[in-house]
Amino acid sequence: GAGVSQSPSNKVTEKGKDVELRCDPISGHTALYWYRQSLGQGLEFLIYFQGNSAPDKSGLPSDRFSAERTGGSVSTLTIQRTQQEDSAVYLCASNRGATDTQYFGPGTRLTVL
Amino acid sequence: AQSVTQLDSHVSVSEGTPVLLRCNYSSSYSPSLFWYVQHPNKGLQLLLKYTSAATLVKGINGFEAEFKKSETSFHLTKPSAHMSDAAEYFCVVSDRDYGGSQGNLIFGKGTKLSVKP
Repeated sequence: GAGVSQSPSNKVTEKGKDVELRCDPISGHTALYWYRQSLGQGLEFLIYFQGNSAPDKSGLPSDRFSAERTGGSVSTLTIQRTQQEDSAVYLCASNRGATDTQYFGPGTRLTVL
Repeated sequence: AQSVTQLDSHVSVSEGTPVLLRCNYSSSYSPSLFWYVQHPNKGLQLLLKYTSAATLVKGINGFEAEFKKSETSFHLTKPSAHMSDAAEYFCVVSDRDYGGSQGNLIFGKGTKLSVKP
């Protein structure tokens, strides 16, 4: 069946511009996670959505980062006024919640010039 | 707070020889532990997970890992390396205990495995 999909696969932007990254989770998965993978920091958690509960935003690095999940399905991660240190691969994962395994998408590679 | 330390950033083995990727964890309670693999330009794939059942966990592609609470270790092994095993491997701990939600994953820095012919 279809896995987690993310778009775009690559995004190049100029410093100071806003970007939106999209994640389509596996159908029926109630939980959705965003992670960031960068050379200096490794792989780090950003934000977690579980059903209709308030998201866990504890991993967001600054208030320039925000995420939404509409209708309990698709999620958009928005980075405002991008900085060069935002350059990374942004990974999305989903699962059925509780103790289920997280399934990862292929990621979006963001490059901020 | 939970954390994981992967002791080697890079491991190189010859094809057909054993693989050992080391991982130590720190957790204030009984953790859920995972190994994920990431092939070049591919997404993360779960190799195996420990959630309090058997301490020796068998995963895909012939990999296994042993949970040793006394040593706070969860090393990944494979008896015989294959060229297709060349990838980056991440040791991961969940920030929730295995009785509850998987929660957020905390990743080690990764170990890049090279396999020589």
